Amino acid sequence: NAGVTQTPKFQVLKTGQSMTLQCAQDMNHNSMYWYRQDPGMGLRLIYYSASEGTTDKGEVPNGYNVSRLNKREFSLRLESAAPSQTSVYFCASRGLAGVGETQYFGPGTRLLVL
Amino acid sequence: RKEVEQDPGPFNVPEGATVAFNCTYSNSASQSFFWYRQDCRKEPKLLMSVYSSGNEDGRFTAQLNRASQYISLLIRDSKLSDSATYLCVVNKGGSGNTGKLIFGQGTTLQVKP
Repeated sequence: NAGVTQTPKFQVLKTGQSMTLQCAQDMNHNSMYWYRQDPGMGLRLIYYSASEGTTDKGEVPNGYNVSRLNKREFSLRLESAAPSQTSVYFCASRGLAGVGETQYFGPGTRLLVL
Repeated sequence: RKEVEQDPGPFNVPEGATVAFNCTYSNSASQSFFWYRQDCRKEPKLLMSVYSSGNEDGRFTAQLNRASQYISLLIRDSKLSDSATYLCVVNKGGSGNTGKLIFGQGTTLQVKP
């Protein structure tokens, strides 16, 4: 199993450009998540999808949209990138681990917006 | 007040030392607790779940105190390869089962030769 995969690994955008970050998982998990991680801020939830066909806002959704294409794939779109969206983006899916369900992360996408 | 609080460190320790990290959480409805490890420029990876009775995995011991809303991680006989950031993670709890997790900011450990 590949687990959670993300593309691209790196991206440089100019302000105002759009792009879609792709995420896929092969663990048959129902729930998927998008986070951003900034220095000193920890992980912040952007959007999540509890199951196929549903999406909900997280802590910092402004400037982003998501699509849960099917059970495997959950994409994050920046319609008009801004320098404040420079960050590392992680996708995760949720499965069983010991006492409860926890999240398994993809390798991340490093985004620089100029 | 942050929902999950950790001392960011860094903790600088020599190889072979024992080091302990602490974490407090604010939501008494939280039911699941975890420690993640994050290496520089990598994704967070699950280190261990934290059981109410405490649990051990090799050199790592995790403890939970629900009354004080406090979680700890003890690392014995530190190795150079233990150098990383350790994230305390708590499920959000409350109504619904969205699986949302709250991540602490992380505690950085540097193990020196």
